Amino acid sequence: EAGVTQFPSHSVIEKGQTVTLRCDPISGHDNLYWYRRVMGKEIKFLLHFVKESKQDESGMPNNRFLAERTGGTYSTLKVQPAELEDSGVYFCASSPQGALNYYEQYFGPGTRLTVT
Amino acid sequence: AQSVTQPDIHITVSEGASLELRCNYSYGATPYLFWYVQSPGQGLQLLLKYFSGDTLVQGIKGFEAEFKRSQSSFNLRKPSVHWSDAAEYFCAVVGSNTGGFKTIFGAGTRLFVKA
Repeated sequence: EAGVTQFPSHSVIEKGQTVTLRCDPISGHDNLYWYRRVMGKEIKFLLHFVKESKQDESGMPNNRFLAERTGGTYSTLKVQPAELEDSGVYFCASSPQGALNYYEQYFGPGTRLTVT
Repeated sequence: AQSVTQPDIHITVSEGASLELRCNYSYGATPYLFWYVQSPGQGLQLLLKYFSGDTLVQGIKGFEAEFKRSQSSFNLRKPSVHWSDAAEYFCAVVGSNTGGFKTIFGAGTRLFVKA
């Protein structure tokens, strides 16, 4: 079974540009999460999808960030326009529905975003 | 508020020595606790988890952790460290009263292994 995949693995963009990160969850996982770790800080929650619906987006830092999950499969996270403080590693995770399954999330390798 | 504290930013141990990484949590109900490891250039790998039952849990790569409710701790241990264990380790808690099922991570402890 393939794990959570993320693309690209690394992105370098200039301030003011737009970047779109993609996450493909494990097949059949209805729950999809985005997290990020900025330099020297904790890994922080951004948002949670259940299928194509946003269940919790309390961690989204501002309206420059837009997450979508059309069709309830893969998800994209767009940053527009990117700022220097957006640099960090963006992790995606997924989990199946049901009971304890919510608690164990499978993480992808992350996308390292560098804004110059 | 729910939180996870890893008091050690970095630790250096000699290869073959024992290891203990500390983790304290603040959580109102029974926590679901995890330890993850991130090796250089890699993603987050789950080492072990505690949901309920036996408070001493075994994980992959020879790691174990003990849940102590009275101390709100979930320390990670390994009896003999290998050079390949050099990585960053994250303690985490997940629970429904965190406002959903999001994972709350500690700041991480970077482990250095010397020959």
